[in-house]
Amino acid sequence: KAGVTQTPRYLIKTRGQQVTLSCSPISGHRSVSWYQQTPGQGLQFLFEYFSETQRNKGNFPGRFSGRQFSNSRSEMNVSTLELGDSALYLCASSLQVSNQPQHFGDGTRLSIL
Amino acid sequence: AQKVTQAQTEISVVEKEDVTLDCVYETRDTTYYLFWYKQPPSGELVFLIRRNSFDEQNEISGRYSWNFQKSTSSFNFTITASQVVDSAVYFCALNSGGGADGLTFGKGTHLIIQP
Repeated sequence: KAGVTQTPRYLIKTRGQQVTLSCSPISGHRSVSWYQQTPGQGLQFLFEYFSETQRNKGNFPGRFSGRQFSNSRSEMNVSTLELGDSALYLCASSLQVSNQPQHFGDGTRLSIL
Repeated sequence: AQKVTQAQTEISVVEKEDVTLDCVYETRDTTYYLFWYKQPPSGELVFLIRRNSFDEQNEISGRYSWNFQKSTSSFNFTITASQVVDSAVYFCALNSGGGADGLTFGKGTHLIIQP
């Protein structure tokens, strides 16, 4: 069974640009969550999607957004990039809700120059 | 508000020693779920265990065991006879509030197993 797939693995952008990251969940999983991991703040919850609806969002500015498609694939978008957005962005999927075991992808490492 | 504290930033032991990773959590919810994840150098978070707040039974899986104590709000993780392959960052996490709030992670414990 294929795991969670995130693309791209690495990305370099400059301040002010925008970026879109992609996540394909495990087949049959309908819940997709996104997390940001930085050395200073650790792992922080961004948002969760289920059936194409955002169910909850963490404490991040509106520049961070996402969506989920009918096949459960998800994208997250960050607009007007700032240096502090440099991080590893992890996507996780679970069957129905995020209190079930979440299975993570390898992440997208975003570097802002 | 919920919070997870992993007070041990880094632990270094020699192979075959037993090691315990501490996790203390805070939540006002009566229903919640606790998790442990392993993050090897490759970066992917690997799910190890989930425990709900109504199940205080300890669990053993091979060399891994977990001790859940609601009285002290702790969910500690012990590796018996550690191996070099156990070297990784280990995260304890909490989910409460009905399941849609995502996971609240601790800062992680970097475990180094020396040969």
